[in-house]
Amino acid sequence: EDQVTQSPEALRLQEGESSSLNCSYTVSGLRGLFWYRQDPGKGPEFLFTLYSAGEEKEKERLKATLTKKESFLHITAPKPEDSATYLCAVPHYNTDKLIFGTGTRLQVFP
Amino acid sequence: DVKVTQSSRYLVKRTGEKVFLECVQDMDHENMFWYRQDPGLGLRLIYFSYDVKMKEKGDIPEGYSVSREKKERFSLILESASTNQTSMYLCASSFQGTGQETQYFGPGTRLLVL
Repeated sequence: EDQVTQSPEALRLQEGESSSLNCSYTVSGLRGLFWYRQDPGKGPEFLFTLYSAGEEKEKERLKATLTKKESFLHITAPKPEDSATYLCAVPHYNTDKLIFGTGTRLQVFP
Repeated sequence: DVKVTQSSRYLVKRTGEKVFLECVQDMDHENMFWYRQDPGLGLRLIYFSYDVKMKEKGDIPEGYSVSREKKERFSLILESASTNQTSMYLCASSFQGTGQETQYFGPGTRLLVL
């Protein structure tokens, strides 16, 4: 069964304290992995798509990496404005539908 | 700029009422999706439409129906609202492709059923 698991569920960081969020998946024939950011009470905002193992993408303090079994979202020197829930998702086999993880709620304190 | 809009940010309805949630996208996307999001359960797909008048059930379609009469518009209908349908409802859209197309989300509608 296709599945996406994110860890940890919640992460509290001091401003400037770098860390990583994990997204592990089991899916038949990975065609892409998506990362989203979601602020409280709002819709998810697209961050990255990774298509193949070894690929990396960066945006400001965020860097996403992909292996054959998992993806990491590395946050370097985070700021309070990086506080949000981060979601990852993969497509179901042979469809355009996405399977979402339950997210990691990140809080960054000054 | 990518734009998905939803008709209401907040709605309060009574049990048994018929509820309409509307979503509009301006990106000429073929696919449109309705999700609900609940704490601890993540995003769950209710219905999916891949073309005008075409629909496919998602993981939790019970108690919901949908309508897509125009390409840019996708409506979610709660025929008889119940308290367990209190949730955050999210609409998304994407191009059709090989599963590599990004889904873009609207701002969400927070529905409270009393």
